Parts: sequence; structure tokens; C-alpha cells
Amino acid sequence: DAMVIQNPRYQVTQFGKPVTLSCSQTLNHNVMYWYQQKSSQAPKLLFHYYDKDFNNEADTPDNFQSRRPNTSFCFLDIRSPGLGDAAMYLCAASKVNQETQYFGPGTRLLVL
Amino acid sequence: AQSVTQLGSHVSVSEGALVLLRCNYSSSVPPYLFWYVQYPNQGLQLLLKYTSAATLVKGINGFEAEFKKSETSFHLTKPSAHMSDAAEYFCAVSVDGGSQGNLIFGKGTKLSVKP
Repeated sequence: DAMVIQNPRYQVTQFGKPVTLSCSQTLNHNVMYWYQQKSSQAPKLLFHYYDKDFNNEADTPDNFQSRRPNTSFCFLDIRSPGLGDAAMYLCAASKVNQETQYFGPGTRLLVL
Repeated sequence: AQSVTQLGSHVSVSEGALVLLRCNYSSSVPPYLFWYVQYPNQGLQLLLKYTSAATLVKGINGFEAEFKKSETSFHLTKPSAHMSDAAEYFCAVSVDGGSQGNLIFGKGTKLSVKP
């Protein structure tokens, strides 16, 4: 089945130590998204790629970066994680000009 | 600006009872509306979506929602709750109907189902 895959499902890092979260999709969709979801809150969009075009949300901290080396893969880099960055990180994909976003299972990040 | 309001952060029903989760939206243009479900430690799964076709939308797992423009509502219902429906439900609106990242979520409603 076509899907969005996120690895790892759980990630533990240390305060200030760079960490990378991975996402891949077999849907061959053009748009990929990264969301941050803190406990008992709605998902918050960090940024998205429309093909290779990067779109950053205005309030996304500079500490968060992203890379999309090809259609299938997208990475979220947190340069210096703080305790407040502990959250579930959700990746999603959608077709161009389609409305439905398909989500991966998420990566839960713990910062010690 | 577009927004979504979900009334009730927590709803509890008995197994077999009607499920009603409320969602109101604000949009200056015709919206695309969605309901997603999230089980613990999982990603979001699309239940159903409204894209300006039929106002009554049927989704997976027996859920449906009705778009009411006059009430700016898109409430989610299921006639008979099942224990497996216990999860968190998010209503969302797409600002421009496209896939350019402008999916705005409500704060979610956690559904509990009592035996």
C-alpha cells in the first residue's frame, strides 16, 4: 500500500544536540509537510515543500530546517533542540492541487 | 482569517449511543473541510472531507458530516458508538482549496466510549 513512513517512531536526544527526523512517501505526491504537535494540542505546520520549492511558516523558529533531496524523502533538522521542542512530529504528503493530506505515524521526540 | 472551532475538548458517550462532535469554521471564501482521527501515538487518518459537492459527506468507519453554510458548521456524527471509536478527532479547514500547506486545524476533541 502507498503510504507515508516516518523513522524512527521515537527519538531521544540531548539538549542542544542536533537531531534529524526522516520521512518518506510512496505516494509520489508533489507536496510534503512537517507539523509539530505538542501534547493535547492541534498539529502546527512548520513548513512544506511544493516539489523543490521550500515554504516556511512565518513563526517557525530558525532552529528548524528541512531538506528534500528527492520526491520521496524529506528530512526535518533541529539544530539545537530545547526542552520546548519535545513533541510529536508529523509528516504528510499531498498531490498538487489536491486537498487531502496523508499523514505518517509520527516521530515522538524527547529532549533530555 | 480562516479558523476552526471545535466545541468541547472532551466528549464521552456510551457504547451504542449517538456520537456528535461539533465543528464551526470561519472562512471568507468557500472552504474545504476535513475531519481527521488520531489514535494514541499515531498519525492523523482522514475520516472524510467536504469539497463543495454534496453537503452530506460519508466517511470511513460509519462517520458522516453535514456542511451547513448558514450555520458555518461541519459537525461529525455516527449513529452508534463503538469502543474502537475512542480517539482524538480534529476538524480542519483548507484556506485555498489547494495543497499549499494551509490546512488549519481545530484544537481537537477527545472522544471516550464507555462500555
